[in-house]
Amino acid sequence: GAGVSQSPRYKVAKRGQDVALRCDPISGHVSLFWYQQALGQGPEFLTYFQNEAQLDKSGLPSDRFFAERPEGSVSTLKIQRTQQEDSAVYLCASSLARRFGETQYFGPGTRLLVL
Amino acid sequence: QKEVEQDPGPLSVPEGAIVSLNCTYSNSAFQYFMWYRQYSRKGPELLMYTYSSGNKEDGRFTAQVDKSSKYISLFIRDSQPSDSATYLCAMRSNTGKLIFGQGTTLQVKP
Repeated sequence: GAGVSQSPRYKVAKRGQDVALRCDPISGHVSLFWYQQALGQGPEFLTYFQNEAQLDKSGLPSDRFFAERPEGSVSTLKIQRTQQEDSAVYLCASSLARRFGETQYFGPGTRLLVL
Repeated sequence: QKEVEQDPGPLSVPEGAIVSLNCTYSNSAFQYFMWYRQYSRKGPELLMYTYSSGNKEDGRFTAQVDKSSKYISLFIRDSQPSDSATYLCAMRSNTGKLIFGQGTTLQVKP
């Protein structure tokens, strides 16, 4: 059984470039979360989807960050005009439904380095 | 002040030791408490999950929640080198997102 997959696993970008990070959740999982994990820190919430609806984007650090999940399955996190402070691991998690207590399963993350 | 505080360590113990990991939090509304384990260059994986106050045991792992003190703990008995990882406490907000501590790095030496 496949878990959450993310691609690419590693991305090096020059400052100012746009990047797109992909998340494939566990099949049938309704909820999808994006988190950002800086070096030596715990993950921090970015945004949340229930099916294709983006219900919470309060954690997105700036308007350079944009996420979508158009068909309620695969999600893409896009960062425009990358800055050095965007360097982090971007984690995607999915859960079966948005009920309290549902376990979030994490992917391996995409490690982004902005030079 | 962060909503969830966790000592980053590192914590180094000999094999077989009992390990105690702790977090404090400020939001009394939290009711769901989790411990995740994260190996280097991997995503977090759920270890323990507790609702409200009390204890929960699973093999060598015991999770404790004291809501009156806003304090949660994870105990690892008979620690093994394979337990070497970063341990993250997390609490679920009422919107479903997880709020993590900084993580404690644990090394168990053979």
